[in-house]
Amino acid sequence: QKEVEQDPGPLSVPEGAIVSLNCTYSNSAFQYFMWYRQYSRKGPELLMYTYSSGNKEDGRFTAQVDKSSKYISLFIRDSQPSDSATYLCAMGVNNAGNMLTFGGGTRLMVKP
Amino acid sequence: DAGITQSPRHKVTETGTPVTLRCHQTENHRYMYWYRQDPGHGLRLIHYSYGVKDTDKGEVSDGYSVSRSKTEDFLLTLESATSSQTSVYFCATGTGNYGYTFGSGTRLTVV
Repeated sequence: QKEVEQDPGPLSVPEGAIVSLNCTYSNSAFQYFMWYRQYSRKGPELLMYTYSSGNKEDGRFTAQVDKSSKYISLFIRDSQPSDSATYLCAMGVNNAGNMLTFGGGTRLMVKP
Repeated sequence: DAGITQSPRHKVTETGTPVTLRCHQTENHRYMYWYRQDPGHGLRLIHYSYGVKDTDKGEVSDGYSVSRSKTEDFLLTLESATSSQTSVYFCATGTGNYGYTFGSGTRLTVV
């Protein structure tokens, strides 16, 4: 079993829909939770960063962390065709010498 | 990705030839990483560096070597390229508590 699980999709939604992307994990030591967005033929870029539990909102994007369930989510409101990309979750522990652990990514397609 | 430059962006090489990919950073980060990304496998860590001349293996290091003689440069070498090493290679800098910055990638095809 992988340390971080993420449904690969593809997830296809109509423009304007609310999108929910999720990851589950098994390592209770994770404290830093991130979402990366990767457009086709580009490198991943950091989209959302959350420390410990709770919610964080940035424009149309909301990141949620539920450490008790070992479950994180990224919500996209009013989705746009420009949101079409692969979304990767990533997690880290409280030690600069430790590396991020990535999910496999979910491919999202927002159709006009 | 202004702080990380990968070269070349694209390369086609023949089986059995050595290939070197370069990652250059301007942010003076201590930690640097090489990943490969393949459909169905996500990002897989090849090698990483935690300082000049300090490197270690990742989960898919067989057939690859790295060198870091300066803080800003991290080189990935495929000693004898095989078709299974056809992939997109990403360099990254950063730490697990602050996140990574990725380069734009090198698309390598081994024929």
